[in-house]
Amino acid sequence: QVQVVVSGGRVVKPGRSLTLSCRTFGFSFANYAMHWVRQVPGKGLDWLGVLSYDGSGEYYTDSVKGRFTISRDNALDTTYLLMNRLTFEDTAFYYCARDVAFAEITLPRDWGQGTLVTVSS
Amino acid sequence: QSALTQPPSVSAAPGQRVTISCSGSDFNIESNDIFWYQQVPGTAPKLLVFDNNKRPSGTPERFFGSKSGTSATLAISGLQTGDEADYYCGTWNDRLRIVVFGGGTKLTVL
Repeated sequence: QVQVVVSGGRVVKPGRSLTLSCRTFGFSFANYAMHWVRQVPGKGLDWLGVLSYDGSGEYYTDSVKGRFTISRDNALDTTYLLMNRLTFEDTAFYYCARDVAFAEITLPRDWGQGTLVTVSS
Repeated sequence: QSALTQPPSVSAAPGQRVTISCSGSDFNIESNDIFWYQQVPGTAPKLLVFDNNKRPSGTPERFFGSKSGTSATLAISGLQTGDEADYYCGTWNDRLRIVVFGGGTKLTVL
């Protein structure tokens, strides 16, 4: 059974950095792209970026390009989201998700439970 | 502003059929597959439909996705109170090379 477990969310001051982790179980992690999506409570889904199965392709939405970086460790079945220069507007629940397709980039399929990042002084 | 446009809310009675629309443009919906997600408040989104009209295991046949040109539709028949949730469409944007979601539609089962 596929499981996606996100961790690392906490309260952080503006301007600081934070890394979220996303550990996966129950599928061949090395064969799937991984997405990160966030959601401000009460608002819609905000796609952040995706990293291909082998790390050769990565795409980000403009609002986080240059500040956020997705990485992965296929030996640990884990993906990471490094967030730099955090602002109040980055306060949200953060989700990671496995892609639908094998060895391609499409859209998210299996989502983790989300972790809350609160940027506050 | 979302690149895909959905109605903010829809409602219908139990047992009825409801449709949720999703409109975009030639460089997102028309040239790429549409995905639909269901999110019950307080939980993570769940994939309902992928590749326009395919259902992953676990999605009841009551949920039906379709696409025509720059618009897509999610139809839900035989509405149940458990279907109350927020529904999002999503697709790939060829020009920006990003995933785009609609703003979400809140379904109320009266």
